[in-house]
Amino acid sequence: GNSVTQMEGPVTLSEEAFLTINCTYTATGYPSLFWYVQYPGEGLQLLLKATKADDKGSNKGFEATYRKETTSFHLEKGSVQVSDSAVYFCALNSDMRFGAGTRLTVKP
Amino acid sequence: DGGITQSPKYLFRKEGQNVTLSCEQNLNHDAMYWYRQDPGQGLRLIYYSQIVNDFQKGDIAEGYSVSREKKESFPLTVTSAQKNPTAFYLCASSIAGSGGSHTGELFFGEGSRLTVL
Repeated sequence: GNSVTQMEGPVTLSEEAFLTINCTYTATGYPSLFWYVQYPGEGLQLLLKATKADDKGSNKGFEATYRKETTSFHLEKGSVQVSDSAVYFCALNSDMRFGAGTRLTVKP
Repeated sequence: DGGITQSPKYLFRKEGQNVTLSCEQNLNHDAMYWYRQDPGQGLRLIYYSQIVNDFQKGDIAEGYSVSREKKESFPLTVTSAQKNPTAFYLCASSIAGSGGSHTGELFFGEGSRLTVL
């Protein structure tokens, strides 16, 4: 069946550090891929998405590229801010399940 | 504005009581979902519904019940049979796809935090 495997956290970085959160998937066909973000005490919200191979999703300085050859959709940001502290979830559109998420803490 | 509204935001329950969490959406989405999130954990699927008057169990449906009498509404009842109901509950909706899958992003409510006293 379809599934995602997400890098486990927590991840703690200093402000302006480079961020990578790994996500790999197993799927039949050509699913769309998503990254969601959950700020403390809130629901999840879509951060970015990619609908086909080699697509790059981007938003708020975050980027992720749909790599079919490596079945990956790693989340990256060049310079994190304290306000990026949250839990990040990778997901497939063909599955209603989410992984455990990766908690990011950015320190000033 | 379109979106998903969950209520109440905070709820306290005594052991042995049933409680119902409300979820309403005005996005005209066919599919709706309920998830449970425990501290420091990911989301676990409780129930989902792809169409009015139909719903399916997710991974942890025991001790919970739902109804889908209207497209806009998908209330979740946490029954006394649920042994450990203290958690954060999230409702979501999406445009339903064919074959039981959803095709796009999920839109989430702000969540309801249930505490059993």
